[in-house]
Amino acid sequence: DTGVSQDPRHKITKRGQNVTFRCDPISEHNRLYWYRQTLGQGPEFLTYFQNEAQLEKSRLLSDRFSAERPKGSFSTLEIQRTEQGDSAMYLCASSHEGRGIYEQYFGPGTRLTVT
Amino acid sequence: AQTVTQSQPEMSVQEAETVTLSCTYDTSESDYYLFWYKQPPSRQMILVIRQEAYKQQNATENRFSVNFQKAAKSFSLKISDSQLGDAAMYFCAYRSLKGADGLTFGKGTHLIIQP
Repeated sequence: DTGVSQDPRHKITKRGQNVTFRCDPISEHNRLYWYRQTLGQGPEFLTYFQNEAQLEKSRLLSDRFSAERPKGSFSTLEIQRTEQGDSAMYLCASSHEGRGIYEQYFGPGTRLTVT
Repeated sequence: AQTVTQSQPEMSVQEAETVTLSCTYDTSESDYYLFWYKQPPSRQMILVIRQEAYKQQNATENRFSVNFQKAAKSFSLKISDSQLGDAAMYFCAYRSLKGADGLTFGKGTHLIIQP
């Protein structure tokens, strides 16, 4: 068990470009979460998956954002037509629900800079 | 919607001393989970301690303990025998047990350990 991993760790892109981030959860964790953290703030929830099903989306998740979790394993978060306001750290977390344990384990994050 | 408030943007403590970080939250729910997460500089967020709202006993994990006051909606973190490695951002987080599954975080408290 190597923990939650995210790739890339840093991404610099120009405004208007599309970007995609990947998250690999802890193996056998059935829930996967995406958060966004801007400087000086706590993480804000974006969306989560139970296995391959996307069960909830925050109102922060505009139509330029899309997330997938094919086969219930890794997940991708895509941002289309990036804007400078999208610059943030994007955090992924996973958990194993069903054992009465509700801790979410976080990855190192992908820092996005939109120029 | 739930809100989490951390009123101390920054705290400083001498090594080996005790420090208490404050957190208050607002909810109309009776059953929920509360967490303290630690985010060291440029490193991933890790869980420090959790508290189930239905439990009256305060959670403890080695040098970390909480003071959970459900009626006052207060959830403070006490760190005893502070160590240099405790320096980090500390985030208080709330998790509902119905509906929304993502964590709601406070803005964080930056803890400085003075050697």
